[in-house]
Amino acid sequence: DVKVTQSSRYLVKRTGEKVFLECVQDMDHENMFWYRQDPGLGLRLIYFSYDVKMKEKGDIPEGYSVSREKKERFSLILESASTNQTSMYLCASLSGSLPDTQYFGPGTRLTVL
Amino acid sequence: AQSVTQLDSQVPVFEEAPVELRCNYSSSVSVYLFWYVQYPNQGLQLLLKYLSGSTLVKGINGFEAEFNKSQTSFHLRKPSVHISDTAEYFCAVSEGTSGSRLTFGEGTQLTVNP
Repeated sequence: DVKVTQSSRYLVKRTGEKVFLECVQDMDHENMFWYRQDPGLGLRLIYFSYDVKMKEKGDIPEGYSVSREKKERFSLILESASTNQTSMYLCASLSGSLPDTQYFGPGTRLTVL
Repeated sequence: AQSVTQLDSQVPVFEEAPVELRCNYSSSVSVYLFWYVQYPNQGLQLLLKYLSGSTLVKGINGFEAEFNKSQTSFHLRKPSVHISDTAEYFCAVSEGTSGSRLTFGEGTQLTVNP
């Protein structure tokens, strides 16, 4: 079974802090994704990566950056956290280049005070 | 650009009743369609998917969906729901031209009451 893990289930940070969210997958998948989930808005794509050191902006990249130095790990970085980044963050991975099943981690609920 | 609309934000039903969760998409090209389920305090897991072939797709836990190209819909159905089906359900679409990225709908909260 594919396993996608995220470094924290709950995180509380202060405005202006730099925040790192880590995601690791164990199935050698090429593609990895970061989404944020907000009530009534569904999931929105922040960034995705289709290979090591490769990244593409999603629909809402402002205020975020990402890093993919190893195939199994995809990090989401909030350079200076703001209260409007309080949300649930979900990581996913996918094998291959065509649309198919994305495997999700359990999510990180981030609160920015 | 692709978009997805889930027509009902909340659907309350009684146990053993049938249910339909509605999903419409807009796209000018071929699409791939998915339904995901999120149980409380968990990530998303795939219920079913349409990639090609038969327009009636069967998934896990007795769910099925029908791809209707003329109506640009992909409604999810189950003939008899259980309490354990209480969860949030997300419809998602991917266009062939956008690679593997998905666009999700807003979600439908299904609540099954005894």
